[in-house]
Amino acid sequence: EPEVTQTPSHQVTQMGQEVILRCVPISNHLYFYWYRQILGQKVEFLVSFYNNEISEKSEIFDDQFSVERPDGSNFTLKIRSTKLEDSAMYFCASGPTGGNNQPQHFGDGTRLSIL
Amino acid sequence: SQQGEEDPQALSIQEGENATMNCSYKTSINNLQWYRQNSGRGLVHLILIRSNEREKHSGRLRVTLDTSKKSSSLLITASRAADTASYFCATDGNAGGTSYGKLTFGQGTILTVHP
Repeated sequence: EPEVTQTPSHQVTQMGQEVILRCVPISNHLYFYWYRQILGQKVEFLVSFYNNEISEKSEIFDDQFSVERPDGSNFTLKIRSTKLEDSAMYFCASGPTGGNNQPQHFGDGTRLSIL
Repeated sequence: SQQGEEDPQALSIQEGENATMNCSYKTSINNLQWYRQNSGRGLVHLILIRSNEREKHSGRLRVTLDTSKKSSSLLITASRAADTASYFCATDGNAGGTSYGKLTFGQGTILTVHP
């Protein structure tokens, strides 16, 4: 069964540094998402992406965050200047359609640790 | 507003018993989904129930939805030790409006099934 893959599985970065988290969504999916889960807390929506542009974003997704689909297969999340509070699990997800009663498929996540 | 609040927060049962988890939400929805998360892993989609459905089955899973009470329940019958995981409900909101699939998750229920 096709899977969403994320790399790296664990990223350790100094505060203030830029970090790029990478995802390969399922190939025929059209909608892409990033979520994060701070340790012990609920999974939170960050951003949705469709047709090469952001379709919706949360308050968390401020100017320090950006997403890109650089080559038609990868989907990346960039944090420009990381803060301690960015430490979390970041999950990428993809779906064949946006909403329309279709489930999303999640990767195993990247654990981001900011020192 | 908060969406998708599960109870109980933790549930401990013996193998063979049934496990019931509940979820409440606050706004109108297109659908409600249940996901499972094994420790350190991503979210695995279990079942999706649309806002016009009242009950749905998938194998040992049974989900109910009461839109008048804005609540859902997940029943796992004849539980196994391998069912030990965290279970989350997630709502795809904005009923009647444009949805790009943004999911709003609850805090989750930690289920432990003892062999």
